[in-house]
Amino acid sequence: DTEVTQTPKHLVMGMTNKKSLKCEQHMGHRAMYWYKQKAKKPPELMFVYSYEKLSINESVPSRFSPECPNSSLLNLHLHALQPEDSALYLCASGLSPALAGAEAFFGQGTRLTVV
Amino acid sequence: KQEVTQIPAALSVPEGENLVLNCSFTDSAIYNLQWFRQDPGKGLTSLLLIQSSQREQTSGRLNASLDKSSGRSTLYIAASQPGDSATYLCAAHGNQFYFGTGTSLTVIP
Repeated sequence: DTEVTQTPKHLVMGMTNKKSLKCEQHMGHRAMYWYKQKAKKPPELMFVYSYEKLSINESVPSRFSPECPNSSLLNLHLHALQPEDSALYLCASGLSPALAGAEAFFGQGTRLTVV
Repeated sequence: KQEVTQIPAALSVPEGENLVLNCSFTDSAIYNLQWFRQDPGKGLTSLLLIQSSQREQTSGRLNASLDKSSGRSTLYIAASQPGDSATYLCAAHGNQFYFGTGTSLTVIP
């Protein structure tokens, strides 16, 4: 199983809502990533988890709150978002952030629209 | 900070042509380089992974090369098909994956 599963596929939320994005993998990967991608731009790193601990936070606003409850699951909690946060949110996993040869596997993303 | 650039930004070719996509990176201290394909509104599909110690990798009609010392990688697509139309991204793997700016490929039937 080389799949990273993201749910939901699409999400529309108001600026006062609280919602969560979910990412799951069963490949035994201990590094998991959240990326944000705007239209016609490359993905931008948001967070990196290594062995269930947050190792990189790319100065992401606090309205985005990541959580890694176990080695297979990664959540992104959303609260009080702005319309400019509308984007494709991609989750990825790999063996380890610093392990040579670690291939990254990406999910299909969650298309988020903030209204 | 690692910077990854892809040339050209967009490419349109007739079906059957062989083509080369270019990726350059500024910091040669990478673990590997990975090429991805992305269809509109979709996630990333891994195409090829080249370890830092390797020079090239092949999968079907795709061949990717890596020259770490010069900070360059190329993706060669042989006998292009309309189904190859997509955006192609390279990513240099350091302490995170640094993505290139992408090449949007259109193969005309």
